[in-house]
Order: sequence, then C-alpha cells, then structure tokens
Amino acid sequence: GAVVSQHPSRVICKSGTSVKIECRSLDFQATTMFWYRQFPKQSLMLMATSNEGSKATYEQGVEKDKFLINHASLTLSTLTVTSAHPEDSSFYICSAVSGQGALNTEAFFGQGTRLTVV
Amino acid sequence: LAKTTQPISMDSYEGQEVNITCSHNNIATNDYITWYQQFPSQGPRFIIQGYKTKVTNEVASLFIPADRKSSTLSLPRVSLSDTAVYYCLVGGPSGAGSYQLTFGKGTKLSVIP
Repeated sequence: GAVVSQHPSRVICKSGTSVKIECRSLDFQATTMFWYRQFPKQSLMLMATSNEGSKATYEQGVEKDKFLINHASLTLSTLTVTSAHPEDSSFYICSAVSGQGALNTEAFFGQGTRLTVV
Repeated sequence: LAKTTQPISMDSYEGQEVNITCSHNNIATNDYITWYQQFPSQGPRFIIQGYKTKVTNEVASLFIPADRKSSTLSLPRVSLSDTAVYYCLVGGPSGAGSYQLTFGKGTKLSVIP
C-alpha cells in the first residue's frame, strides 16, 4: 500500500517553544491530509483537514493560531505547535488521502509523533 | 458525518474467529466503510474496506447488510498479535474534492492465550 512518512517520531521540547511535525506522502499525491491528536487510551480526535493550496479547516475547539497547518504541496503537510505547553503533550498522527473524487478512497496514516512538552 | 458505534472491548482466545460489529445508522450513499487496526504508539493500519455485501482479503472479511446500517469485521483464527484497537470508519467525498473521515471510540480486542 501507499506510504505516509511522519517525522519526527518522537520529540521533547521546552514549554514555550514551537515544534514542527512533517507528514509526507511518499508514493502518491495527497489531495487531502488530516491531522489527529490522540491522548492515552483514547481514540483519535480530528484536529483539522487540509487540502493542498488552501487553508486548513479546523475542528471546533482547536485553536488555528496555536496549531498551524501548511499543506503547500501534494506530498507534504506540516503541523506546527506554537508556544507549546505541557497540556499539548500528546500523540499526533497525520493521514493522507489519494484518489480525488473516488468513492473508495483509502486514507493512509503516518507512524505518529509523540510530543512531550516539559 | 455518519456516527459509528462499536463495542468498547472484546476478549477472545487464540485460534478463535472474532466478529466485531459496527453500527452506522446514518451512513450516506457515497460513504464507504473502512476498518483500521491500531497498536499502541503507532498510526492506524488499513485492514479492509467495503461498500456493500461481502469483502474478503488475506487478513479479514467484511460483511455489510443490504441496508448498510451496520457492518461486521471478521478476523479468522486470531493470534496474540491481533491484540489491538479496531476502528470502524464511515466516510467519503464530501464535495468540492474534500474527504471526510472521523474516528469513533474503537474496539479494544484482547486475545488471550
């Protein structure tokens, strides 16, 4: 199947600093990318949806100025957690969808990024 | 978005067949049903996808009744390595080239030796 690479897999940062997480579709063009956050023993919570070349659509309760999403190309989306605080510590996962307009489009997921803010 | 409902957890012995049912009463005409598997600290992994009737691949089968308001993931002869959380997702194109995909709470499957 298609591959989505997420980097870094693990990051520790100091409170108040910013962290950038990259999500790349390695062998297909991703028309849509999703960013999720997952706290321990909970399901994935959708944070935002981004389509290449347009602004991301954020879910209710997600601060767009704190979680900056850039989807500049069909193979790369980035999530920047700005001014991170300990409560932002979580597992962040991206996914990418190919096959624009296809009904049976499959979403491929990255490996996830474990962010720890100290 | 179509909401999905699954059992929170299930236990099974090794070698048994496991069936996990998902309810999605307000599934839309364009929606496909997709199941993912997730191990701790890893991204979800695609298992199987279907629209109606039955789909089978090398790891699972997916049964979808005619009304499509539910679906059942069938895992034959589970092993300890199948212990994971299984998510049922319903989604599809939502217009203007975008795609909607939302996770429910998932089913934690524990396989017992």
